[in-house]
Amino acid sequence: GAVVSQHPSWVICKSGTSVKIECRSLDFQATTMFWYRQFPKQSLMLMATSNEGSKATYEQGVEKDKFLINHASLTLSTLTVTSAHPEDSSFYICSAPYRLAGVVNEQYFGPGTRLTVT
Amino acid sequence: AQRVTQPEKLLSVFKGAPVELKCNYSYSGSPELFWYVQYSRQRLQLLLRHISRESIKGFTADLNKGETSFHLKKPFAQEEDSAMYYCALETSYDKVIFGPGTSLSVIP
Repeated sequence: GAVVSQHPSWVICKSGTSVKIECRSLDFQATTMFWYRQFPKQSLMLMATSNEGSKATYEQGVEKDKFLINHASLTLSTLTVTSAHPEDSSFYICSAPYRLAGVVNEQYFGPGTRLTVT
Repeated sequence: AQRVTQPEKLLSVFKGAPVELKCNYSYSGSPELFWYVQYSRQRLQLLLRHISRESIKGFTADLNKGETSFHLKKPFAQEEDSAMYYCALETSYDKVIFGPGTSLSVIP
């Protein structure tokens, strides 16, 4: 079945450094992928839409220069948190819509990446 | 404005009792609504969607456009139903907006 993977599952970095998180769709192609962040005991907040072959579209209030998104292929999107600060510590989750005959059948979610910035 | 609300942050019920998790939405277009569930230490997974009108694990949800609601119901709660439940709205361009979630605890 369709699966979405994320790497790494958790990462600790120092303040000021950059961190890259990968999201891969396994066994299916995804021209769009979505990135969410989830703070403890809170819901998923949509950050941006990753578009294969074009620029990502960001939700209001999300800094595009801080959260760089690259959709390099039909199965891979990366989120780079640049110059990370402790307030960027969160759970980052990606999703990819699985389409049948061009219609979205279901959104599949990755297991998430726990980022801790010290 | 596109929004999903879930008024209950926490809901506790006894095993065997009926469960209703409330969800209301705000969307100007034709809504596509879903319920997602997240069990402890597991990834988010789809529970059901309104267009298929299916029953999964005994849960059902009916879309009420007049009340802009999509409440999730189950007649007899089981301990394994304890989880975080998110109501979600799929908007144009396949974006999914989540409600704040309801943590369901089923007491043995």
